[in-house]
Amino acid sequence: GAGVSQSPSNKVTEKGKDVELRCDPISGHTALYWYRQSLGQGLEFLIYFQGNSAPDKSGLPSDRFSAERTGGSVSTLTIQRTQQEDSAVYLCASSADSVLSYEQYFGPGTRLTVT
Amino acid sequence: GEDVEQSLFLSVREGDSSVINCTYTDSSSTYLYWYKQEPGAGLQLLTYIFSNMDMKQDQRLTVLLNKKDKHLSLRIADTQTGDSAIYFCAESRNNFNKFYFGSGTKLNVKP
Repeated sequence: GAGVSQSPSNKVTEKGKDVELRCDPISGHTALYWYRQSLGQGLEFLIYFQGNSAPDKSGLPSDRFSAERTGGSVSTLTIQRTQQEDSAVYLCASSADSVLSYEQYFGPGTRLTVT
Repeated sequence: GEDVEQSLFLSVREGDSSVINCTYTDSSSTYLYWYKQEPGAGLQLLTYIFSNMDMKQDQRLTVLLNKKDKHLSLRIADTQTGDSAIYFCAESRNNFNKFYFGSGTKLNVKP
């Protein structure tokens, strides 16, 4: 597609349930990032994938959060046993694999509400 | 994030200039960026500046970087109502695998 897409755009779930959020990066982009944006807050880095390298998971807030990237393209962010404090907009971004390509392209985000 | 700070709100009248300010803490910052987020949308890169530059101009946008004070600003000339959005300052370091974002400045343009 022309840009980064994310699904679903909105997700309402009950506390304690698991959720999966999907990101389709721009074709050919090998770097993929997940961020969390809580109400009135800036972006909080969660995880970074670069090609076949081990992902940088240093931003994941707890072991309830995990992410995969299959085939170097689509990524899924999974939150297990959701809590109300997980409510936020989850943003995905991708960038080309080049030291000169520092521009991240963002998707529209998934708004997660945990009730 | 705690590495990058911005004021939360700015209100200007249409036609005036807007100046959004940002401070950062890490002297190893390589690139500094300004992103725009409109309601319900993802972030859009507006402009960026390499850390060895002092100024960059792109149409109505002027970025000023004071590396000594670790201060970055974005000036929008002839601000329009369509410029109303949240503006995020961000920085990346040598490895580019982490971008550090400020909390965003909400710009309100009054007609």
